[in-house]
Amino acid sequence: AQSVSQHNHHVILSEAASLELGCNYSYGGTVNLFWYVQYPGQHLQLLLKYFSGDPLVKGIKGFEAEFIKSKFSFNLRKPSVQWSDTAEYFCAPLTNDYKLSFGAGTTVTVRA
Amino acid sequence: DAGITQSPRYKITETGRQVTLMCHQTWSHSYMFWYRQDLGHGLRLIYYSAAADITDKGEVPDGYVVSRSKTENFPLTLESATRSQTSVYFCASSGQGAYNEQFFGPGTRLTVL
Repeated sequence: AQSVSQHNHHVILSEAASLELGCNYSYGGTVNLFWYVQYPGQHLQLLLKYFSGDPLVKGIKGFEAEFIKSKFSFNLRKPSVQWSDTAEYFCAPLTNDYKLSFGAGTTVTVRA
Repeated sequence: DAGITQSPRYKITETGRQVTLMCHQTWSHSYMFWYRQDLGHGLRLIYYSAAADITDKGEVPDGYVVSRSKTENFPLTLESATRSQTSVYFCASSGQGAYNEQFFGPGTRLTVL
């Protein structure tokens, strides 16, 4: 069975600080990887996705993620966060039966 | 362009009552999903559907029933609600194919007293 581990439960940052959220998954087959974001009071939105090709993918709002196959990791990064990045972030591998497995989520709080 | 909608947005019910949460999408997506979101667990898949009249269990299906008579609708029923089913429920849909992202509805916050 697929499992997903997000290392940080809650991250508190100041504006302009850099952000990196860890994600590791356990799945030996072909995997497509997603990061979703949930802003306070809103539904989940896609931040970025990896299917194949360049392991460094760029998403919306200045986010990027790097797929490292040998480490089963797909860490999310942003060089300089803003107050509006306060949200919950979910890593989610997509298995070949169209099902997403979500990590427990990381709450990011950005202080102005 | 409504996208994917859920109703009701908020619901309070009592233990033992039957509750149905509605989900409607306007994209004619083949796949639809129901998740519940609980603190510390992220989102867990309850049921999913690959097409009308095709449904399958997810990770936490016990106590829930789904149906999909039309492509655009995917209702979730709690046959006899329990306190442990207090949660936020999200419906999602995606198009045909392995590489399509899932689009999520706004969620239904259900409280079982």
